[in-house]
Amino acid sequence: NAGVTQTPKFRILKIGQSMTLQCTQDMNHNYMYWYRQDPGMGLKLIYYSVGAGITDKGEVPNGYNVSRSTTEDFPLRLELAAPSQTSVYFCASSYVGSNNSPLHFGNGTRLTVT
Amino acid sequence: DAKTTQPPSMDCAEGRAANLPCNHSTISGNEYVYWYRQIHSQGPQYIIHGLKNNETNEMASLIITEDRKSSTLILPHATLRDTAVYYCIVGTYSGGGADGLTFGKGTHLIIQP
Repeated sequence: NAGVTQTPKFRILKIGQSMTLQCTQDMNHNYMYWYRQDPGMGLKLIYYSVGAGITDKGEVPNGYNVSRSTTEDFPLRLELAAPSQTSVYFCASSYVGSNNSPLHFGNGTRLTVT
Repeated sequence: DAKTTQPPSMDCAEGRAANLPCNHSTISGNEYVYWYRQIHSQGPQYIIHGLKNNETNEMASLIITEDRKSSTLILPHATLRDTAVYYCIVGTYSGGGADGLTFGKGTHLIIQP
């Protein structure tokens, strides 16, 4: 199992550009999440999904969009990049059901907007 | 609003037990205590969780007080590779749930050679 895979690892964007952060998991987890982590801070939840076709906002959703067309993939889209979106983005997944699992995280995408 | 309180940093000598405290005085009856750690630049890694009873696995032990208002994560023989930020989190599901888990700033544990 590869676990949770995020691409790209690093990206530099100019203000106003758009991009999609990719996240895929091979553990058949039903729940997936996107967090952001600013320097020296904890993680803040951006969006989450409880299954294919279902997404919901977290604590800091403004400026982002997500989709969940398959169980495996949960891409995060930035439409008009702003310097405030400079951060490290972590995707995570978990199984919630009869046998819950802990959160499994990817290794992050480091995004700089200039 | 923070559900847990942790010291911002701690030191521990290599080979000794590292005891990381966490206060969660407003924990609800159905909320678990989870511990994760984040080694520099990597994604957080699950360590252990518990509801009421003390728990032990191959990585650590978790001691929860009887009133459940505080807990201690114990790394029995700390190594340099245990240097990381440790997050104590409370939540209702065994890992994520409908709205994830709230990660605060955690405790930066530094293992000294």
